[in-house]
Formats: sequence, C-alpha cells, structure tokens
Amino acid sequence: ETGVTQTPRHLVMGMTNKKSLKCEQHLGHNAMYWYKQSAKKPLELMFVYNFKEQTENNSVPSRFSPECPNSSHLFLHLHTLQPEDSALYLCASSPTVFSGNTIYFGEGSWLTVV
Amino acid sequence: AQSVAQPEDQVNVAEGNPLTVKCTYSVSGNPYLFWYVQYPNRGLQFLLKYITGDNLVKGSYGFEAEFNKSQTSFHLKKPSALVSDSALYFCALGAGTALIFGKGTTLSVSS
Repeated sequence: ETGVTQTPRHLVMGMTNKKSLKCEQHLGHNAMYWYKQSAKKPLELMFVYNFKEQTENNSVPSRFSPECPNSSHLFLHLHTLQPEDSALYLCASSPTVFSGNTIYFGEGSWLTVV
Repeated sequence: AQSVAQPEDQVNVAEGNPLTVKCTYSVSGNPYLFWYVQYPNRGLQFLLKYITGDNLVKGSYGFEAEFNKSQTSFHLKKPSALVSDSALYFCALGAGTALIFGKGTTLSVSS
C-alpha cells in the first residue's frame, strides 16, 4: 500500500470536458510532484510544489492547471485536452525538493482523451 | 547538461541466473542516483539510492547497485533472478528539485 493516493485511477474524458485528478499523501512530506508517463516518451516532470508553492513548471501547456492547497493535497485540473494527452499521470511526494530525497509515487491515474 | 541513460530496452534472463540492468549518467558535481521498479498498471516503487559513501548500495527485494564514478555508471544487479522480478526498471538522477528518469528497461525473467 502506497502513502500517496491518487483518484480516480481511470478517467475517460472528451476534448471539451473539464475534469480533475486528485492526489493525497499521508507521509508528512512537503514537496509534491506531477509526472506524465506515456508509451513513447520517458517519464516527464510536469510540476513541482514545495510547501504549497510552485517551484517548477516544465513548460506544460496551460490546459493542465495544477493546484496545491496544502502540503498533503495536489490537484491537476484538466480542460480542452487533446488525444495526445492520454497517458498515465503520476503524483509523487518527498520530504522536501532536495534532489537527494527519495520521491514516493502513487499508483497513477490513467487518462484517456477521446 | 544532466542526463541519465539506460542503453537496453529489454533484458532477458533465466530464473536463478544473475541479472544486470545498466544505467549511465552525466552530471556536473556529485550525483544522486536512484532505481525504481514499475509493475504493470502500478506506480513506481523505490528500490535503492546512492547519495554518498559505499559504492555498493543494497536495496529492496535483494537488489543492489554499484556506483562507478570513473565509468559514470550505476548498474542494478541481483545475484539470482526470480520470475516475479519481471517488470519495468527505471534509473533516475537527482537534479535540482526533482528526478530525471531514464527511458526504462523491461526485465523479463523466464522460468
């Protein structure tokens, strides 16, 4: 069982829909991350939050909008997505953003855009 | 530029044989190196990491990795493979505020 919980596990949405992915960590960590994993590309870092503040946006299109209301919760709001956005979206957390820290991942949310 | 490479898309070994999954890196300064495993339809699970100290790092499920600074490598090893070790393995480099991942290596262990 992971200390990082993602919901929903599976999501199918149309290109005009608005949906959100939710992530919650129970590890007492202060940094949270969104990664994208698609079949044809390596794991791509999307966003980094440290103590609720966004510290990194890896040139992600604005149709992906993150929200971090506190250190335990992270959302990814989705709107007007494209079929190529279909992927596994992984949330992760670590004690802080220091690069020597172990990052712990959730089980992921499978997103299909139709 | 900082990067990590996994030169093999797939590694096939027979059960009971030793296994090696290769990883090389490029970084200025001291590296922070990690190995993760991903089973089908699951997230990534942490196996082990190298920060400093002993070049041989021991991790979960009997895995170990050897840090070699001169060859800029961090290969994952296990003395005796199990069929249940079949999965996708990722090497990662700590860079800045997050991890940079290799493209992954599929390990297939046959019985």
